[in-house]
Amino acid sequence: AQRVTQPEKLLSVFKGAPVELKCNYSYSGSPELFWYVQYSRQRLQLLLRHISRESIKGFTADLNKGETSFHLKKPFAQEEDSAMYYCALKNTDKLIFGTGTRLQVFP
Amino acid sequence: EAGVAQSPRYKIIEKRQSVAFWCNPISGHATLYWYQQILGQGPKLLIQFQNNGVVDDSQLPKDRFSAERLKGVDSTLKIQPAKLEDSAVYLCASSLLRLAGYNEQFFGPGTRLTVL
Repeated sequence: AQRVTQPEKLLSVFKGAPVELKCNYSYSGSPELFWYVQYSRQRLQLLLRHISRESIKGFTADLNKGETSFHLKKPFAQEEDSAMYYCALKNTDKLIFGTGTRLQVFP
Repeated sequence: EAGVAQSPRYKIIEKRQSVAFWCNPISGHATLYWYQQILGQGPKLLIQFQNNGVVDDSQLPKDRFSAERLKGVDSTLKIQPAKLEDSAVYLCASSLLRLAGYNEQFFGPGTRLTVL
């Protein structure tokens, strides 16, 4: 069955510290994975997708098929990164979301 | 460009009552999605429309939930009768018509439903 697992509900770091938000998936086939973010009082929005291999707001994510992971990383966290982060897997035209990780960046 | 609009933003009802949510997608977006997000969980797709046709409603509890998109633009999601476990945020999203690859889904602000 297709599934996305985000093992951490909450991740707290200090400003300037590295951040890694974990995401593991289960999918038979070639996966397409995404990270969505929801800042306080804002809408859910796309942060990045693995196909584009881009860095957005300093975040990167590499698809590791061997480990079935798509962890989100940032070398130096900023206070404005505080938000809910959701990993999502595309299945046909449907997105399957993980349960989300709340990132808190303290000053 | 205006984003996806949803109303109402909040709704409180008692169990066994009926409720309806409205969504207006981004202009020109042929595909519309309704998601249910229960507290502490990620969004779960309930139904997907392409224009006014249903593409996927496999996770829609059809005994109590219904949705329509009659003219291929606005959509309504209805719950009748509501149960306590329907308390959730209902998200609407829209995207361009998919020809190949992935078209980004744009989300509305959601409707928070509380069933007492």
